[in-house]
Amino acid sequence: EIVLTQSPATLSLSPGERATLSCRASQSVSSYLAWYQQKPGQAPRLLIYDASNRATGIPARFSGSGSGTDFTLTISSLEPEDFAVYYCQQRSNWRWTFGQGTKVEIK
Amino acid sequence: QVQLVQSGAEVKKPGSSVKVSCKASGGTFSSYTISWVRQAPGQGLEWMGRIIPILGIANYAQKFQGRVTITADKSTSTAYMELSSLRSEDTAVYYCAGSITMGFDPWGQGTLVTVSS
Repeated sequence: EIVLTQSPATLSLSPGERATLSCRASQSVSSYLAWYQQKPGQAPRLLIYDASNRATGIPARFSGSGSGTDFTLTISSLEPEDFAVYYCQQRSNWRWTFGQGTKVEIK
Repeated sequence: QVQLVQSGAEVKKPGSSVKVSCKASGGTFSSYTISWVRQAPGQGLEWMGRIIPILGIANYAQKFQGRVTITADKSTSTAYMELSSLRSEDTAVYYCAGSITMGFDPWGQGTLVTVSS
C-alpha cells in the first residue's frame, strides 16, 4: 500500500500570507494525486485533481504541482475561509489512500 | 451535477452490522464510481472501498477486506455500504463520494455510526 506523508502537520499563518503544503508518496503515483479541504462538521471538498488541475469553482489562489513522489499545494494568499484541514489522496491499482492531513490555522 | 444523500445516523451494538445507503439524484448515476470513506472522531480520512455501479464490480481496502460489502442498485441510483462485526473503533462518520476520474466529487453529507454496548 502506498503511504502518503503530509508536512507540516500544522501551519500557522496570517491572512494574506502564502501557504505551502507538502505531500510525499512512498512510491511513484505518477500524477494520480488530489487535494481536499475539510472544515469542521463538513464533508471534504475537492480542490485539485491529477496533481495540478483545479476542480470546478475552486479559486485561482489554489494551485497544485508535482509528479512521481513529491507534490505541493500552494495557496497564494490566504483568505479567512481557507483556514481548514487539507488532505492529499492518491490512486494506485484502483485503490486510494489519504495523507494524514495538514491543519492550516490562524496565527 | 449529481448530488449524494445518505441515510441517517445509526447506533449499533458491538458484533452487529450496519448498512448505510447513498442515493444519487440530479445526474447520471452510472457515470460515476462510488467510494466509501470514513473518518473517526478527530482523525483523518480512510478509504474503504468502491463500486462501479454500471458493472457491479467492487474492490476494497485490504484493511476492510472480508468485513465490508459495497453494492449498488442501478434502478434506484443507490449505493450501499455494509460493515459487519462492528467494534468500538468503527465509530466514525461514513461518507460516500462519487468520482469519474481522479478526485472524489461530489460527497454525501456523511452518516454517523456509533458502536456502543
